[in-house]
Amino acid sequence: AQSVTQLGSHVSVSEGALVLLRCNYSSSVPPYLFWYVQYPNQGLQLLLKYTTGATLVKGINGFEAEFKKSETSFHLTKPSAHMSDAAEYFCAVSDWRAAGNKLTFGGGTRVLVKP
Amino acid sequence: KAGVTQTPRYLIKTRGQQVTLSCSPISGHRSVSWYQQTPGQGLQFLFEYFSETQRNKGNFPGRFSGRQFSNSRSEMNVSTLELGDSALYLCASSLASGETYEQYFGPGTRLTVT
Repeated sequence: AQSVTQLGSHVSVSEGALVLLRCNYSSSVPPYLFWYVQYPNQGLQLLLKYTTGATLVKGINGFEAEFKKSETSFHLTKPSAHMSDAAEYFCAVSDWRAAGNKLTFGGGTRVLVKP
Repeated sequence: KAGVTQTPRYLIKTRGQQVTLSCSPISGHRSVSWYQQTPGQGLQFLFEYFSETQRNKGNFPGRFSGRQFSNSRSEMNVSTLELGDSALYLCASSLASGETYEQYFGPGTRLTVT
């Protein structure tokens, strides 16, 4: 079975500082990988995804993530945090061998941005 | 194009009752997935429907069921509600069923069981 671990349930960063959110997955084969963001009282919005090809993936709002197969990681970064980045972030995987749209999510990381 | 809509947005029920939640996917989308979000268990996959057929099912008891109509709208039903069913229920739609299709999430229905 697949699993996703997000290190740190809460992260506090200063405005303008680097945002780094960690995600490690467990899977017998490299899965497809996703990062979602959830603002209060809203659903999830896709930031970026990795399926195949280039391992550095650029997403919306200045976020990017790098797939490292040897480390089974897919960490999310943003060079300069903005107040609007305060939200909860979820890493997710799907198994391309399985039929359908099932996503397995990590526990989430809540980001606080300090002025 | 309108996004995924879920009704109702908030719901309060009593233990033992049943509840039905509704999800209208983005126009043209044929796959609808449901997820449960709780502080303790996080986001968990309930089931997926595609072309009116259940495609995938998560590890939830039989009290949780769903269906999809010919217009792709979906409903999920929870019977004999328990306190632990209190959660945010999220619906996601995609063009088709398959891991490369992006899922678009609705705002969710917050269910409180008392």
